[in-house]
Amino acid sequence: QITLKESGPTLVKPTQTLTLTCTFSGFSLSASGAGVGWIRQPPGKALEWLGIIYWDDDTRYSPSLRSRVTITRDTSKSQVVVTMTNMDPVDTATYYCAHSVKMPTVRVFDYWGQGHLVTVSS
Amino acid sequence: DIQMAQSPSSLSASVGDRVTITCRASQSINNYLNWYQQKPGKAPKLLIYAASNLQSGVPSRFGGSGSGTDFTLTISNLQPEDLATYYCQQSHTFPLTFGGGTKVEIK
Repeated sequence: QITLKESGPTLVKPTQTLTLTCTFSGFSLSASGAGVGWIRQPPGKALEWLGIIYWDDDTRYSPSLRSRVTITRDTSKSQVVVTMTNMDPVDTATYYCAHSVKMPTVRVFDYWGQGHLVTVSS
Repeated sequence: DIQMAQSPSSLSASVGDRVTITCRASQSINNYLNWYQQKPGKAPKLLIYAASNLQSGVPSRFGGSGSGTDFTLTISNLQPEDLATYYCQQSHTFPLTFGGGTKVEIK
């Protein structure tokens, strides 16, 4: 059974750097085709894709956030980490990590973490 | 970026009704279209992948169709537990993008 869970601070100050960790089980990020993505959702708003890291360490990012977001993995710990620099109140959102796989040729997010609400405020 | 436009943004329907939600891509995405259901306070859940394929465990009253730029999610025989917001998402081109969501309410 695949599970994912986000962890990290719930409150950060403007200009600070946010670091969130996604700890997962039930799959290996070394397995061909596997990926873990990050998606966020401001309160009452739609989902926004931030980026993804693949089994081969390839990463892709949203162009609008590319200069601020970095996604890395620690395969031995079954963790994926996202860092976002220069946080602003508009970055207040629930941050989700999600397992990604091709089914069979279309990439989907088939398992999601419960989400982690991050508030940006001084 | 490929823009995903959903309509309507919200709807209210009665139990047993047939509900249709549309999603239009700003350029052709073939069948690289997924649908997610997000119940209040919960994480999204994959419903339909590759435009028309039902994810395992999803009730058969959910169905998807379309190709190219125009897609449809249909809920036949709406049930109270279908109260949720539904999102389309394209996986054709980076950046991956989601629609704005359709909130389904039960009359």
